[in-house]
Amino acid sequence: DAGVTQSPTHLIKTRGQHVTLRCSPISGHKSVSWYQQVLGQGPQFIFQYYEKEERGRGNFPDRFSARQFPNYSSELNVNALLLGDSALYLCASSFGTVNTEAFFGQGTRLTVV
Amino acid sequence: QQQVKQSPQSLIVQKGGISIINCAYENTAFDYFPWYQQFPGKGPALLIAIRPDVSEKKEGRFTISFNKSAKQFSLHIMDSQPGDSATYFCAASTANTGFQKLVFGTGTRLLVSP
Repeated sequence: DAGVTQSPTHLIKTRGQHVTLRCSPISGHKSVSWYQQVLGQGPQFIFQYYEKEERGRGNFPDRFSARQFPNYSSELNVNALLLGDSALYLCASSFGTVNTEAFFGQGTRLTVV
Repeated sequence: QQQVKQSPQSLIVQKGGISIINCAYENTAFDYFPWYQQFPGKGPALLIAIRPDVSEKKEGRFTISFNKSAKQFSLHIMDSQPGDSATYFCAASTANTGFQKLVFGTGTRLLVSP
């Protein structure tokens, strides 16, 4: 059984550019959440999507957006990249929406230069 | 109030010993407490989770102890092995918001010496 898959695994972008990160959840899971993990820190919540609707948003600027598709896969978009956006972006898949087991993918390492 | 404080920042344990990592929280609305293990270059892997209606949960060598009145919970790794060397994160969330926002601790880097 495939776990959570994210693509690409690594990405280098220039300041001011735009980036799209992709996530496929575990089969049967309808919820996808996105987290940002800066080196040496714990993950920080960005968004949760369930059944294609945004259910929650963390304390991130409007440059961050996401969407979920009918097959429950998801994209995270970041516009006008800043050096501080360099981080590991993690996708978590879960069956339900609250207090449910969340399974993370391997992440996308984004470096902004 | 949304913070989860984790200690120690790093821990060295001999093979076969017990590793203990502690977390404390302020938000009494938190009602789900998972622990994650993360190896370098990988995403966090769910180890074990507890809800406040129980004081202890054990899965294999991993045990969570939960003290609701003290607003603290801890992870015990029994018979620690070199393969357990990783960074461990505690986390917490509440159902009150209608969505799952895991609030993570700052992590504990565990090294198990052979």
